[in-house]
Amino acid sequence: DAKTTQPPSMDCAEGRAANLPCNHSTISGNEYVYWYRQIHSQGPQYIIHGLKNNETNEMASLIITEDRKSSTLILPHATLRDTAVYYCIGGTQGGSEKLVFGKGTKLTVNP
Amino acid sequence: DTGVSQDPRHKITKRGQNVTFRCDPISEHNRLYWYRQTLGQGPEFLTYFQNEAQLEKSRLLSDRFSAERPKGSFSTLEIQRTEQGDSAMYLCASSPTGISYEQYFGPGTRLTVT
Repeated sequence: DAKTTQPPSMDCAEGRAANLPCNHSTISGNEYVYWYRQIHSQGPQYIIHGLKNNETNEMASLIITEDRKSSTLILPHATLRDTAVYYCIGGTQGGSEKLVFGKGTKLTVNP
Repeated sequence: DTGVSQDPRHKITKRGQNVTFRCDPISEHNRLYWYRQTLGQGPEFLTYFQNEAQLEKSRLLSDRFSAERPKGSFSTLEIQRTEQGDSAMYLCASSPTGISYEQYFGPGTRLTVT
């Protein structure tokens, strides 16, 4: 599984876009990038995943660079409820799909 | 509420005692995972089941740990002869086969070993 690097913490103002970066320079061609988040005292929650193309769902957008060495998770209009630890995970599909979490980025959305 | 439930939510035990945790996954999900999370760290994979078969175990899962999923539905995780280092949040997740990247996590069981 690809090793990912994320900043330990970030701040964002409520209502503004939150852009969370992730470096995954060792990712291989068949490895996806998954994003999860963990709100305090809860289990992790799946957000989005992608391989090469940018992806968008009702929660967020995922922008993956053309060389696939990094990606950015975008929360377009952050709310206080988006305060959480965000994990960027690299992994393949077709196996166990066990998730290998790092320490993630603690995002604090301020009023 | 993701539909995955865990019981108990909190457990305090004395060193050397045995503890058992239960996880009830989303009913139609074939895959069930156990993770452990200590303070300030991301969850660490312990083991996973495809239906009733335990297909992978982490090296973190010492001989004192055992997990079962007897009928392919609920699962139990037992820790024998608990040690203070076992204090952690134990998380269970489930997913359907083929969409295993989208795992639904339960609220966890927080274990404190005194």
